Amino acid sequence: RKEVEQDPGPFNVPEGATVAFNCTYSNSASQSFFWYRQDCRKEPKLLMSVYSSGNEDGRFTAQLNRASQYISLLIRDSKLSDSATYLCAYNNAGNMLTFGGGTRLMVKP
Amino acid sequence: EAGVAQSPRYKIIEKRQSVAFWCNPISGHATLYWYQQILGQGPKLLIQFQNNGVVDDSQLPKDRFSAERLKGVDSTLKIQPAKLEDSAVYLCASSLGGSLETQYFGPGTRLLVL
Repeated sequence: RKEVEQDPGPFNVPEGATVAFNCTYSNSASQSFFWYRQDCRKEPKLLMSVYSSGNEDGRFTAQLNRASQYISLLIRDSKLSDSATYLCAYNNAGNMLTFGGGTRLMVKP
Repeated sequence: EAGVAQSPRYKIIEKRQSVAFWCNPISGHATLYWYQQILGQGPKLLIQFQNNGVVDDSQLPKDRFSAERLKGVDSTLKIQPAKLEDSAVYLCASSLGGSLETQYFGPGTRLLVL
């Protein structure tokens, strides 16, 4: 079983739609969780950290469920510019990130 | 503030040749990471440095890959000899150095081995 699993997609959604991605992880000792955004042929950039209490940043909401070992990302009111690959990741005490394979999102007009 | 710099941006070599990549982290960042990202996959950590010491290199194929960060700033990653399956983007990242610090990625070096 992979340490971090994501549905590769692509998720094709119209502008304005709400879309959600899940990511499951197998290492129960994982400390912190993140969502990264990666545009085509670019480097990953941190989108948001994920806290147990859940956190929101504008149109983006991230949730962590430690009991079921998954994290989620919800994007409301999708924009064309949200089209990208979304990578989930966790790190351990040594700050070493383990990434999932990414979920590709395509927002269409 | 300048980000993580990497060079070259692209490299094409034939199998069994050698190649080296260079990374200059964000100023003041003590921790430096090299990741390998194969097309369609997420980045995979190869090696982590704290200043000029190796913290973890458990996923580095040491028979052909080597990395150093001699003065605790710039780093080089070398592959010798390259194999077809080494075709990937090699990403360098840096962070301040404490645990759970945000990692900032460079633009990567795209390697194609023919």
